[in-house]
Amino acid sequence: QKEVEQDPGPLSVPEGAIVSLNCTYSNSAFQYFMWYRQYSRKGPELLMYTYSSGNKEDGRFTAQVDKSSKYISLFIRDSQPSDSATYLCAMRRGGSNYKLTFGKGTLLTVNP
Amino acid sequence: DTAVSQTPKYLVTQMGNDKSIKCEQNLGHDTMYWYKQDSKKFLKIMFSYNNKELIINETVPNRFSPKSPDKAHLNLHINSLELGDSAVYFCASSQDMSTVKYFGPGTRLTVT
Repeated sequence: QKEVEQDPGPLSVPEGAIVSLNCTYSNSAFQYFMWYRQYSRKGPELLMYTYSSGNKEDGRFTAQVDKSSKYISLFIRDSQPSDSATYLCAMRRGGSNYKLTFGKGTLLTVNP
Repeated sequence: DTAVSQTPKYLVTQMGNDKSIKCEQNLGHDTMYWYKQDSKKFLKIMFSYNNKELIINETVPNRFSPKSPDKAHLNLHINSLELGDSAVYFCASSQDMSTVKYFGPGTRLTVT
């Protein structure tokens, strides 16, 4: 079993839809959770960074962490065609272990 | 005002050659990284430098050697290139090691 599992999609939604992207993980030592957006042929960009369980909101984006279920989510409200990209989850242990483990990414297309 | 820049953007070379990829960041960050993204879009860390000191050295072949002449630069030299080295290599930087915030545009390496 991979440490981080992410459905690669592709996921296609109409403009204005609420998008839910998810990752599951197996290592209970993970404490920090991130979501990155990667446009085609570009580098990833950090969208959300959360610690431990709970929700974090930033504009149209909400990151949710459920450590008891080892499950993290990214919700995108009022999705736009400009949100079309690959979304990567990433996570790391606490303390001085700084290695990020990434999911394989979910390809999202928002259709106008 | 590119935050993290890499050169070259594309690199096509033959097996057995030696090549270098250069990375520069103008953000004043202390930490720089090299990541490899394979054909299946899987992003994995290779190296991390903090204040010119090697912090993370994942299990990559010793044909790969990072060099950090100063805090703003982290170059990647690859000896005796193999077909399996074909991938996109991303440089990244962050102010501290808590997460990776800025990725470069990537260098698409093709070994023939």
